[in-house]
Formats: sequence, C-alpha cells, structure tokens
Amino acid sequence: KAGVTQTPRYLIKTRGQQVTLSCSPISGHRSVSWYQQTPGQGLQFLFEYFSETQRNKGNFPGRFSGRQFSNSRSEMNVSTLELGDSALYLCASSLGGDRVEFFGPGTRLTVL
Amino acid sequence: AQSVSQHNHHVILSEAASLELGCNYSYGGTVNLFWYVQYPGQHLQLLLKYFSGDPLVKGIKGFEAEFIKSKFSFNLRKPSVQWSDTAEYFCAVNAQSGGYNKLIFGAGTRLAVHP
Repeated sequence: KAGVTQTPRYLIKTRGQQVTLSCSPISGHRSVSWYQQTPGQGLQFLFEYFSETQRNKGNFPGRFSGRQFSNSRSEMNVSTLELGDSALYLCASSLGGDRVEFFGPGTRLTVL
Repeated sequence: AQSVSQHNHHVILSEAASLELGCNYSYGGTVNLFWYVQYPGQHLQLLLKYFSGDPLVKGIKGFEAEFIKSKFSFNLRKPSVQWSDTAEYFCAVNAQSGGYNKLIFGAGTRLAVHP
C-alpha cells in the first residue's frame, strides 16, 4: 500500500506571497491532519479534515487554511506568507477513529 | 491545556547501552499515547502505541514503553541501543479536544548513538 505523499517536497517563496501544499493520504484513509514542524516550536497541530469537513483546528492564524476533496486528498493554503512560516509541513492520514497517524515526508517551505 | 513534556532534549549513548526517554503529559481524561521516531532524512514513523490494556507495550525494533497512569508518564525504553537508533524521538498524546481528537507532541529527544 502506498504511503502518504506530499507535493511539492521543497518550496521557496517570498514574504507576502501565498502557497498551496498538497497531500494524498493512504488509500482508504478518510482523516487527514496537518502539522507544522519548526526547530523552535516542534510539531504543532494545524487542522484535521474528515470526509471533507474540518473537525478540529489548532492555534494558528486565519492565514492558514485547508480543504479536503471527495477522494480524501487535502490541500493546505497559507496566505500572506511571513518569515516565521518557514517550516516543514507534515501531512498525516488515518482511518479516523483510532488516531494512528501515518506521516508523509513533508513539504519544506522557505520564506525569504 | 494539554501538554507533553520530554525531559531530555539530547541524549548521547554508546552502542549496547540501555535507553530510557522520559515523557509526561498533562491531561486528566482518557488518552491514547504514542512514540514516533524520525530517522535522519526520513519521515515520522510510529514506534509503538498504547490505547488500553497491558500498560507495557512493545513496538518495533526492540523498543517498549510503560504507561504509568498515576504518574502521567509514558517512558520509552530499549535494553541495548544500536548505531542505527540514532534519530529524533517524539512522544505524542491523543486527547479529546472539542469533541474530536488531535495529536499533541512533545518537543522531541535527539538520540545519538556512537559505535
């Protein structure tokens, strides 16, 4: 079974731009979660989608948004990028109930 | 608010030494507990998990962890480490939040094993 895939793997943007990251979950997984990983803050939960509905959200500003499609693929969008948004963005998928999450390789975003 | 504390940020061991990484969480309700590992250049992988039952759980690669409810702890152990165990280890808790679950991670422990 293929794992969680994320595209692109690396991204360089400048302040003020916006970015969209994509995540394809493991086949059959309906829950997709997003996390931000930085050296200073560690792994922080952004949001979770299940059956196209956001059902949980972390403490991030409204510039961070996401959506999930009917095939469970998910996208995350960050608008008006700031230097502090530079991070590794991880996507994780699970069946939903047991919360055993399988992580993708991440998208490394650098904001200049 | 729920939180997870990992006491050791950096650990250096020689091969064959025993390992114990501490993890404490703050949450009074029912939790599911996890240890994830991130090898250099690789993505996060699940080492082991605890949902219920026997508080001593065994995971992959010879790792085990013990859930002590009274101490709110879930420490990771391995009797004899190998150079290939060099990685960053994350403790995580799944606690009910707003009716739905989310994973809360500790800050991580970087383990370096010297041959």
